[in-house]
Amino acid sequence: KAGVTQTPRYLIKTRGQQVTLSCSPISGHRSVSWYQQTPGQGLQFLFEYFSETQRNKGNFPGRFSGRQFSNSRSEMNVSTLELGDSALYLCASAPTENYGYTFGSGTRLTVV
Amino acid sequence: GEDVEQSLFLSVREGDSSVINCTYTDSSSTYLYWYKQEPGAGLQLLTYIFSNMDMKQDQRLTVLLNKKDKHLSLRIADTQTGDSAIYFCAEFNQAGTALIFGKGTTLSVSS
Repeated sequence: KAGVTQTPRYLIKTRGQQVTLSCSPISGHRSVSWYQQTPGQGLQFLFEYFSETQRNKGNFPGRFSGRQFSNSRSEMNVSTLELGDSALYLCASAPTENYGYTFGSGTRLTVV
Repeated sequence: GEDVEQSLFLSVREGDSSVINCTYTDSSSTYLYWYKQEPGAGLQLLTYIFSNMDMKQDQRLTVLLNKKDKHLSLRIADTQTGDSAIYFCAEFNQAGTALIFGKGTTLSVSS
C-alpha cells in the first residue's frame, strides 16, 4: 500500500514569490491535513480537508491556503513568501476524523 | 484550548529502558498518540492508546495512561541506537480534525 507522497521534497524560493506544495494521500483516505514544522514553534496545524471541504484551519495568515481535489489529492499554497516561512511542511492523511494520521516525508521549503 | 507538554531531552545507554513523559489538557481525547521522527524524515505513527485503557504493550513499547492526572508515558525496553529520534506525543482537538503535538522529546542513545 503506497504511503503519503509529497512533492517536491526540497524547494528554494525567494522572498515575495509564491509556492505550491502537493500531497497524494493513501488510497481511500479522505481526510488530509497539513502541518508546518520549525525548530522554534514545533509542529503547528495549518488546515484539514475532507471531501474537498476545509473543516478546520490553524492560526496562520491568509497567505497560506489550500485545497483538496475530488480524488483526495491536496495542494497548499503560500503567497508572498517571507523568510519565516522556511520550514518542513508535512502532509498527513487518514480515513476520517479521530483516526491516527499517516504522514508523508515532507517538503523542505527554504526562503532566501 | 488543548495543550500537550513533554520534556525536551532524554539520554540513555544502549540496553537500558527509556521512559518519555507527556501531559495533555483535553480530557475528552478518545485516542492519544506517539509519533517518532528520525532526522530528515516525516513522522511515523509508533503506537496509540484508547482513552479507556490504562496500558498498551506492543513489542518493546509500553504506553501507560493516567487519565486522572492527564499523563501519558512511552516506555521503550532494551533501547537501541536505532531508537535515537524525536518522539512526539499528540492528541486530537475536540472536533477530531487537528492533531495537537507536544514539542517533542529528543532521545539520545549511547553505546
